[in-house]
Amino acid sequence: DIVLTQSPATLSLSPGERATLSCRAGQSVSSHLAWYQQKPGQSPRLLIYDASKRATGIPARFSGSGSGTDFTLTISSLEPEDFAVYYCQQGSNWPLTFGGGTKVEIK
Amino acid sequence: EVQLLESGGGLVQPGGSLRLSCAASGFSFSTNAMSWVRQAPGKGLEWVSGLGNSDVNTYYADSVKGRFTISRDSSKNTLYLQMNSLRAEDTAVYYCAKDIFWWAFDMWGQGTVVTVSS
Repeated sequence: DIVLTQSPATLSLSPGERATLSCRAGQSVSSHLAWYQQKPGQSPRLLIYDASKRATGIPARFSGSGSGTDFTLTISSLEPEDFAVYYCQQGSNWPLTFGGGTKVEIK
Repeated sequence: EVQLLESGGGLVQPGGSLRLSCAASGFSFSTNAMSWVRQAPGKGLEWVSGLGNSDVNTYYADSVKGRFTISRDSSKNTLYLQMNSLRAEDTAVYYCAKDIFWWAFDMWGQGTVVTVSS
């Protein structure tokens, strides 16, 4: 199974700051990596797919980059509604796997 | 509008069975790859099972292989997950999810809660 390691586990930032989240795969997943946002009591929401493509309706402050084994989700300027848990997920190999998540919390 | 609505969750004893349903609308359900993803209380997301766009290909996590079966009824626009030999560790919120590209999921249902306990 492809293990996805997300770091940091928790990111404490203030609104307006830049957030940089990392996802590292145990082996290459090419560009088949997605990022999701989940708030308490809600279903996950797709932010980025194919490593760098923004999903429909996702604000431009969210961007994804990387390929192979190293990926980054960047939130250029945090809005109050962006404080949540973020997961990466690979779609390259079976079984599909998710990372353990990064919680972005208000500092 | 794309919608996914899960049902069928509940409380079941260890060793029991449940069938989850996911009613889909607003897209070409019969030709779209779909998956089930679960989330245990206070934990992260875990992919459970996937169904390819042709229904020929099914995929399972090792933790459920041989116990769970994914299927769809295109005449009813409904995805199913038959869960047998349930264990306490299967307790979770179960989401159905729609694939957009290479098994990234652009639409999720609201989830249905499965509790396995005596």
